[in-house]
Amino acid sequence: GENVEQHPSTLSVQEGDSAVIKCTYSDSASNYFPWYKQELGKRPQLIIDIRSNVGEKKDQRIAVTLNKTAKHFSLHITETQPEDSAVYFCAASTVNSGYALNFGKGTSLLVTP
Amino acid sequence: DTGVSQDPRHKITKRGQNVTFRCDPISEHNRLYWYRQTLGQGPEFLTYFQNEAQLEKSRLLSDRFSAERPKGSFSTLEIQRTEQGDSAMYLCASSLATYEQYFGPGTRLTVT
Repeated sequence: GENVEQHPSTLSVQEGDSAVIKCTYSDSASNYFPWYKQELGKRPQLIIDIRSNVGEKKDQRIAVTLNKTAKHFSLHITETQPEDSAVYFCAASTVNSGYALNFGKGTSLLVTP
Repeated sequence: DTGVSQDPRHKITKRGQNVTFRCDPISEHNRLYWYRQTLGQGPEFLTYFQNEAQLEKSRLLSDRFSAERPKGSFSTLEIQRTEQGDSAMYLCASSLATYEQYFGPGTRLTVT
């Protein structure tokens, strides 16, 4: 089955700096890659996603890039703010599995003022 | 609130007891997913429904677990003969046809 690896497991940045989280996946059939933000005690929230026919997608301070050849995708957060502090999960899915999400283990991001 | 809802939010049970959780998806979402999340880990897929049909089940879903979505709306997840290893957050998500899944707040299960 699909295996998603996520790095780093923890990331600490100064407010205003950029943060980058990287994921790799194993199943070449994967074609949908969402990113979720989960604050302590809260539900995972979808923040951005990308499909396999696109190489990059941007939404304000958040961007995601996808390299299908290398089977990796990354989340970029620019101009970080303290409220960006949370655990971020990447995921991969395929149409054959009904888009059931295979998650990475998460990255705990801390943005210090 | 028009988001995904789950009930109960917390459940404490003794080992060997049966428990049942409920998930109400976003109205008109035809796909419903169940995941399990343990501390410090990402959610793990358990099963999903398209309308009332259960189309995929993970190897994680042992014989003690059963899920239903009888009318294609709400879903229930039952765990029989609970074990301490079942302690986790059980998350439900729904989507319209494909792609974006929206999660509920989860049911935290503690088995003592």
